[in-house]
Amino acid sequence: QQQVKQSPQSLIVQKGGISIINCAYENTAFDYFPWYQQFPGKGPALLIAIRPDVSEKKEGRFTISFNKSAKQFSLHIMDSQPGDSATYFCAANRPREQGAQKLVFGQGTRLTINP
Amino acid sequence: GAGVSQTPSNKVTEKGKYVELRCDPISGHTALYWYRQSLGQGPEFLIYFQGTGAADDSGLPNDRFFAVRPEGSVSTLKIQRTERGDSAVYLCASSLRVRRDTYNEQFFGPGTRLTVL
Repeated sequence: QQQVKQSPQSLIVQKGGISIINCAYENTAFDYFPWYQQFPGKGPALLIAIRPDVSEKKEGRFTISFNKSAKQFSLHIMDSQPGDSATYFCAANRPREQGAQKLVFGQGTRLTINP
Repeated sequence: GAGVSQTPSNKVTEKGKYVELRCDPISGHTALYWYRQSLGQGPEFLIYFQGTGAADDSGLPNDRFFAVRPEGSVSTLKIQRTERGDSAVYLCASSLRVRRDTYNEQFFGPGTRLTVL
């Protein structure tokens, strides 16, 4: 069962534009929502994360918007740069049964920033 | 400092063979995770260690998959009787000790790309 749905699968944005990636989740017990950035041949790296009691978090050019009632969250990349070209994954942390942190990932969005 | 390292970076094997994939976590990280990433998909959880013991192995797809972490540091993921469907990138991640009241960032290694012919 896919518990985190991500869209779009691919996205092309012009340099300087705004990139927007959306995710929706099903399990209301998820308690932490990170976004990961992955370059080819590398492992995912944490970009920014948010807790469900906050509606927005901004770090530099990256912003997460979180809508708890709609069970949706999104990543906005302002002033997108060619170096931002990568695959982005949203994720959600499953409830901590037995103390485990278990991340459920979306399918990924391949972002291309054209110069 | 050194991040999570995984060896080998690439592994090609034949159907039915046995493979071992190694993960060296960040020094001082007591929690270790294995994920599998199929082409075009997000990582899927396989198993989680807190120290030497497997605290959660609910993501292992079947009994051909097994992982160990005998001294609470390096971990080995073992796959018996490999099948073509096992082809994927196997990612390892580590974090500080898991606590119920905080979330500790998981740091990922570069992965091992396994190809089963």
